[in-house]
Amino acid sequence: GAVVSQHPSRVICKSGTSVKIECRSLDFQATTMFWYRQFPKQSLMLMATSNEGSKATYEQGVEKDKFLINHASLTLSTLTVTSAHPEDSSFYICSAGKGRHEQFFGPGTRLTVL
Amino acid sequence: EDKVVQSPLSLVVHEGDTVTLNCSYEVTNFRSLLWYKQEKKAPTFLFMLTSSGIEKKSGRLSSILDKKELFSILNITATQTGDSAVYLCRNYGQNFVFGPGTRLSVLP
Repeated sequence: GAVVSQHPSRVICKSGTSVKIECRSLDFQATTMFWYRQFPKQSLMLMATSNEGSKATYEQGVEKDKFLINHASLTLSTLTVTSAHPEDSSFYICSAGKGRHEQFFGPGTRLTVL
Repeated sequence: EDKVVQSPLSLVVHEGDTVTLNCSYEVTNFRSLLWYKQEKKAPTFLFMLTSSGIEKKSGRLSSILDKKELFSILNITATQTGDSAVYLCRNYGQNFVFGPGTRLSVLP
């Protein structure tokens, strides 16, 4: 159990367009989902914490109007990168919380903005 | 399908103990294996391993990869309470795949 999927796994888009990334917990209900961005040298940065039915909590320095997060159900959270620019190109990873101290990671979505 | 398995899933030790965390994997087109430490926010990158048999070391932490047997271990010597965290193994092949993590608790 405890499988988290992301869709798409890879996306290429033109500058100025918006891209939606889905994160699903396949076999459990996740009250909390987390969104991360990967930086060079494999480091991960927490972007926001998403709670089902309420607004996401963004980390300092993350633009909430640019990275829209919707946690519509206990198994789905979406991250929309609005008006994407080349500097938004990155690997975006979600994780889903099964319990208070359990977190399971998705495989990530590679975004390339041309 | 790429897969990463970690063991044990949970471990409780006392300060000063040495621990060995295991990560085994099945992956298509293996490129690297990464270890992270997660405490509060984002996982902190520890090591990236690409070659078999070459130990990577950082302070009391060390890690080694066996590409023939498809596993890696993370060693922590002289553990401290600050080592308490979830340690994640992540494989990079055709895709990135995280393992479920090992929750390490170090008691004073």
